Amino acid sequence: QSALTQPASVSGSPGQSITISCTGTNSDIGSYYYVSWYHHQLGKAPKLMIYDINKRPSGVSHRFSGSKSGDTASLTISGLQAEDEADYYCCSYAGSSTYVVFGGGTKLTVL
Amino acid sequence: EVQLVESGGGLVQPGGSLRLSCAASGFTFSDYNIHWVRQPPGKGLVWVSRINSDGATTMYADSVKGRSTISRDNAKNTVYLQMNSLRAEDTAIYYCARGIAGDPVAFDIWGLGTMVTVSS
Repeated sequence: QSALTQPASVSGSPGQSITISCTGTNSDIGSYYYVSWYHHQLGKAPKLMIYDINKRPSGVSHRFSGSKSGDTASLTISGLQAEDEADYYCCSYAGSSTYVVFGGGTKLTVL
Repeated sequence: EVQLVESGGGLVQPGGSLRLSCAASGFTFSDYNIHWVRQPPGKGLVWVSRINSDGATTMYADSVKGRSTISRDNAKNTVYLQMNSLRAEDTAIYYCARGIAGDPVAFDIWGLGTMVTVSS
């Protein structure tokens, strides 16, 4: 069982927007501004999409945005495209003892 | 080109040992923390370990603490993960990843991974 809870799957049609939630506790997401999101396709390296809750690395599309409210972080993808189809993982700092926790992953299907 | 390349995976019997390597190129290796993250078959990503830029501090997930040692050789641009007393549940693809300075969970460069299978 993963430390952070994500829906197992979400889907949307091209051009639509979707949001993936990531629920933690006040020991991780609720206490820190260190939340990141990763895009992962089988056989490829994971790719950083969002860090520090809502910052985009250079080269990541503006269609990707992040937010946080209380113990829950969210990733929103607008204007869905076929290449967005992948597994998405959230990740949070969890203090000096546990250090880093991931969510269980969400499979995004573009219909 | 900025890249990380993992090696050292393979088939090992329960109780055995493996040393994974992560070779870096295209950036100033000694400026960055390096992490190991694994993915068991059919499951999600799990953080394993971290070493800071000069090798002075290390962190481990509880699942590998006491059985694994992370180290680095900045002259060789390489990080190592020595894994001992391996168990079936250690079976996974092991990725190394570069940490963004000052951020404990932002990993901006990843390798393609190396597969570790623990089985008799």
